[in-house]
Amino acid sequence: DVRLVQSGGGLVQAGGSVTLTCEGSGFRFNENYIDWVRQAPGKGLEWVGQSRSKPHDYSTEAAASVRDRFIISRGDLGNSVLLQMKSLKIEDTAVYYCVRNYFEGASYVGTFDIWGQGTVVTVSS
Amino acid sequence: EIMMTQTPLSSRVTVGQTASISCRSSQSLVHSNGNTYLSWFQQRPGQPPRLLIYEVSNRFSGVPDRFSGSGAGTDFTLKINGVEADDVGVYYCMQGTQFPRTFGQGTKVEI
Repeated sequence: DVRLVQSGGGLVQAGGSVTLTCEGSGFRFNENYIDWVRQAPGKGLEWVGQSRSKPHDYSTEAAASVRDRFIISRGDLGNSVLLQMKSLKIEDTAVYYCVRNYFEGASYVGTFDIWGQGTVVTVSS
Repeated sequence: EIMMTQTPLSSRVTVGQTASISCRSSQSLVHSNGNTYLSWFQQRPGQPPRLLIYEVSNRFSGVPDRFSGSGAGTDFTLKINGVEADDVGVYYCMQGTQFPRTFGQGTKVEI
């Protein structure tokens, strides 16, 4: 069964930090691109960033709104992706999803096929 | 940044009717490799989104054939033929052609 399982999150004060973890099962996690997408309460989806696969040196991309505050990295064994969030703002309050990029064979098809269950991060003033 | 604009933002349909959602991008979604990375997701209440359509018109595994996607360049459409009660939710388009990835605002489909 292919799935992503998330952990971390919770209530944090503005200016604080929190780290989310995403682990995969049922597939070769370190050979996949993993992104983070968030959804503020009652709002739409917002892309946060990407961690590419091991062959691409786990390089990353990030949205401009979080680039200087959030760090996306891989766990030591490459079997998890971390979203380290610092200097949190009220507007970072959201459900955070980790998602797998969909490849058909070796071809990237520009979307996400597997979503984690979501982790709530609430930033209080 | 590519802006994605969906219309309508809300749609109430009768079971068995066809629902149509439009998604327009602020610039062409044709990648330098010739592919167009436009996808559609369904989000039911309280659940993560679920992939329905990728590369404009390809149905993802397990998606009923009443869902179909079409379009090119900057204009895209998701159609749900013969809407069922189970199709209630919010539908999002997303472009995967450029960073940052961007989503439409979402279209709420009600029965």
